[in-house]
Amino acid sequence: EAGVAQSPRYKIIEKRQSVAFWCNPISGHATLYWYQQILGQGPKLLIQFQNNGVVDDSQLPKDRFSAERLKGVDSTLKIQPAKLEDSAVYLCASSLDLSNQPQHFGDGTRLSIL
Amino acid sequence: DQQVKQNSPSLSVQEGRISILNCDYTNSMFDYFLWYKKYPAEGPTFLISISSIKDKNEDGRFTVFLNKSAKHLSLHIVPSQPGDSAVYFCAASRRDTGNQFYFGTGTSLTVIP
Repeated sequence: EAGVAQSPRYKIIEKRQSVAFWCNPISGHATLYWYQQILGQGPKLLIQFQNNGVVDDSQLPKDRFSAERLKGVDSTLKIQPAKLEDSAVYLCASSLDLSNQPQHFGDGTRLSIL
Repeated sequence: DQQVKQNSPSLSVQEGRISILNCDYTNSMFDYFLWYKKYPAEGPTFLISISSIKDKNEDGRFTVFLNKSAKHLSLHIVPSQPGDSAVYFCAASRRDTGNQFYFGTGTSLTVIP
C-alpha cells in the first residue's frame, strides 16, 4: 500500500511570508494528524482530523496557522505570516481511526525561515 | 510540560551486543505505548507497541518492556546491527484521547561495526 505522501519536501521562505504544506494519507485512513518537530525535540501534535472534522487543535497557534481537510482525504496546513521560530519539520501522519494503533508518518516538509 | 522523557540523547553499542533504550513517562493514565525508528530525512517508522495490560512484547530482535509502577519502558535490540543506527522515539497515549500520542525527545543509536 502507498504510504503517506507529503509535499514539498523542503521549503525556504523569509519571515512574514506565507507557506502551505500538503498531505495525502494512506487510502482508507479516516484520522489525519499534523505534527511540528523542532530540531532536537520529538514531534508535537498540532491538529488532528477525523474525516473532515477537527478532533483536537488545542496546540495549533491559530493566529498564524490554519489547516483543513475539506473532503476528508488530503489536507493542507498553512502558516501566515511565518516567524523564525516556525523553522521545523512538519510531519503528517494517518491512522485507520481513533482507536489505539500506530500512526503512519510521511517523510515531512523541512521548513526554513530566513 | 514533557510527559514523555528520553533522558539519553545518544547511545553507542558494538555490533552484535544488546542495545537498551529507555523512556520514562509522568502520566499514569497512559495505557498504550509505541516505539518509532527514524532515519535522517525520513519520517518516523513504527517499530513495536505495548499495551498497559502487558509487561513485555517481542517482535524478532526487538523487545519492549513496560514497568507501570515505575512509569518506565525500555526497548531492547538483540543483536544490534549497523542498520539499527537511527533515532528512536517512544510515544504514549491514553485510550480516551482518540489515539493522540505524546513523544519523547529521541535517542540517537549508533551501532559500531
